[in-house]
Amino acid sequence: KAGVTQTPRYLIKTRGQQVTLSCSPISGHRSVSWYQQTPGQGLQFLFEYFSETQRNKGNFPGRFSGRQFSNSRSEMNVSTLELGDSALYLCASRGQLWPRRDEQYFGPGTRLTVT
Amino acid sequence: AQSVSQHNHHVILSEAASLELGCNYSYGGTVNLFWYVQYPGQHLQLLLKYFSGDPLVKGIKGFEAEFIKSKFSFNLRKPSVQWSDTAEYFCAVNAKGSSNTGKLIFGQGTTLQVKP
Repeated sequence: KAGVTQTPRYLIKTRGQQVTLSCSPISGHRSVSWYQQTPGQGLQFLFEYFSETQRNKGNFPGRFSGRQFSNSRSEMNVSTLELGDSALYLCASRGQLWPRRDEQYFGPGTRLTVT
Repeated sequence: AQSVSQHNHHVILSEAASLELGCNYSYGGTVNLFWYVQYPGQHLQLLLKYFSGDPLVKGIKGFEAEFIKSKFSFNLRKPSVQWSDTAEYFCAVNAKGSSNTGKLIFGQGTTLQVKP
């Protein structure tokens, strides 16, 4: 099975712009979670989507949003970018069958740099 | 509040030395526990997991971890490290079988440097 894929791998944006990141889960996985990884804050949960519905949300401002499509692919959007949004954004997917439904498999991430 | 604490931020060992990385969690419910590893330039990979049953779990590459419920701990061990174990290690927890299962809470990570 192919793993979780994320595009693009690298992005450079300017403050005030917006950005959209994409994630394709492992085939058959319907749950997609997003995380932000920074040297200062570590890995922090952004949100989870399951069957096109946001199931859970972390403690991030409303500038961070996401969606999921019927094929389980997910996008996250950050509007009005700030310097502090520079981070590695990770996507993870999980399946529906016990016990694997509680395991998350991570993609390589998108490195976002805001200048 | 839910949290995961990793005691060692940076560990330096010589090859063949034994490794133990500490992890404690605070979570008001039944949990699953994980150790993930991030090798330089690679993505996060699942090293091992504890869901239930035998509290001593074995993972890939000779790693093992022990869940001690009374201490809310899930420490990672390896009897003899290799240079290729140089990586960052993350302890994580999620709520078992609930709508919060997709939310992993991570520790701050431990950078392991193994000297040849």
